[in-house]
Amino acid sequence: GAVVSQHPSWVICKSGTSVKIECRSLDFQATTMFWYRQFPKQSLMLMATSNEGSKATYEQGVEKDKFLINHASLTLSTLTVTSAHPEDSSFYICSATTGGGALGAFFGQGTRLTVV
Amino acid sequence: QQQVKQSPQSLIVQKGGISIINCAYENTAFDYFPWYQQFPGKGPALLIAIRPDVSEKKEGRFTISFNKSAKQFSLHIMDSQPGDSATYFCAASGNFGNEKLTFGTGTRLTIIP
Repeated sequence: GAVVSQHPSWVICKSGTSVKIECRSLDFQATTMFWYRQFPKQSLMLMATSNEGSKATYEQGVEKDKFLINHASLTLSTLTVTSAHPEDSSFYICSATTGGGALGAFFGQGTRLTVV
Repeated sequence: QQQVKQSPQSLIVQKGGISIINCAYENTAFDYFPWYQQFPGKGPALLIAIRPDVSEKKEGRFTISFNKSAKQFSLHIMDSQPGDSATYFCAASGNFGNEKLTFGTGTRLTIIP
């Protein structure tokens, strides 16, 4: 199947700093990418939907200025957690699709963010 | 109305047995129902998916049963193996899967020898 790669797989950062997570579709062009957040033993919560070349659509309650999403090309989307705090520590997962939604979406392996 | 309810929260099944996980939805606009398997520290992987025009779909040891009138669907894992131990999520999407996914709460499945 198609491959979606996230980088880094894990990152530890100091409180107050910013962290960038990359999501790449390696063998297909992703029109749409989704960013999720998952707390331990919980479900995936959609944070935002990004379409190549346009602004991301954020879910209710997700701070746009804190979680900056850029989808500059059909194979790369980035999530930047700005001024990270310990409560931002979580597992962040992206998915990518050639369409606009769930059908044919492939997930990345996730990024474990720990803010100390 | 966007919720997808999943049960049980955790499940222990003996090797060779049948694992059954159930989901229910409320939004009648949902028309694409995938199941995902997630191992610890990894992203989810699509296992099998169904659309409401069929009542059952089988792929290897995995079967989805779908009851449109009851707005319920379930995953059956036949001949469960220790390698099946993982967290399983049901999900739903609308517009033939062209909308975002709404995930269930997850079921942690453990297969014991």
